[in-house]
Amino acid sequence: QKEVEQDPGPLSVPEGAIVSLNCTYSNSAFQYFMWYRQYSRKGPELLMYTYSSGNKEDGRFTAQVDKSSKYISLFIRDSQPSDSATYLCAMGVLGAGSYQLTFGKGTKLSVIP
Amino acid sequence: DGGITQSPKYLFRKEGQNVTLSCEQNLNHDAMYWYRQDPGQGLRLIYYSQIVNDFQKGDIAEGYSVSREKKESFPLTVTSAQKNPTAFYLCASSESSGPYEQYFGPGTRLTVT
Repeated sequence: QKEVEQDPGPLSVPEGAIVSLNCTYSNSAFQYFMWYRQYSRKGPELLMYTYSSGNKEDGRFTAQVDKSSKYISLFIRDSQPSDSATYLCAMGVLGAGSYQLTFGKGTKLSVIP
Repeated sequence: DGGITQSPKYLFRKEGQNVTLSCEQNLNHDAMYWYRQDPGQGLRLIYYSQIVNDFQKGDIAEGYSVSREKKESFPLTVTSAQKNPTAFYLCASSESSGPYEQYFGPGTRLTVT
């Protein structure tokens, strides 16, 4: 079983739709969680990070973490064509020397005008 | 503007040649990382460095080498021993004492023929 599982998609939605992107993980030691957005041929851009279970909101984006189920989600409200990108989840373990992140393989999203 | 720069954006080399990819950051981050990204594979860690003059192998270090002589710079050399060097290479940096979010550069696309 891989440490982080993420549905690769592709996911295609109409403009204005609510998008739900998800990752599951097996390592219960993971304590902080991030979402990155990556446009084609560009470096990943950090969208959101959270260290706790529950919801964190930033504009049209909401990150949700359920540590008991080992499941994280990113919701995008009122999706725009500019949201078309690959979304990567990442997670890591807190503590001294804890620098390494484990990434999902990414979900490719297309928002159709 | 604080950020990470990678150069060049595209690099072409003949098989059997070593090539060095540049990564510079002005975020005053202690930790720096090199990842390789292949289609369908996600991000794989090559090397990381927590502090100047120190670095550790990641998951796929064979055929690569790095140096960390300055805090701002973390160059990656792809040697002729790397069996399949054609890929998209990403450099990232983060704080060493938290928060641990990694910030990425724009990437270098290396093609070896």
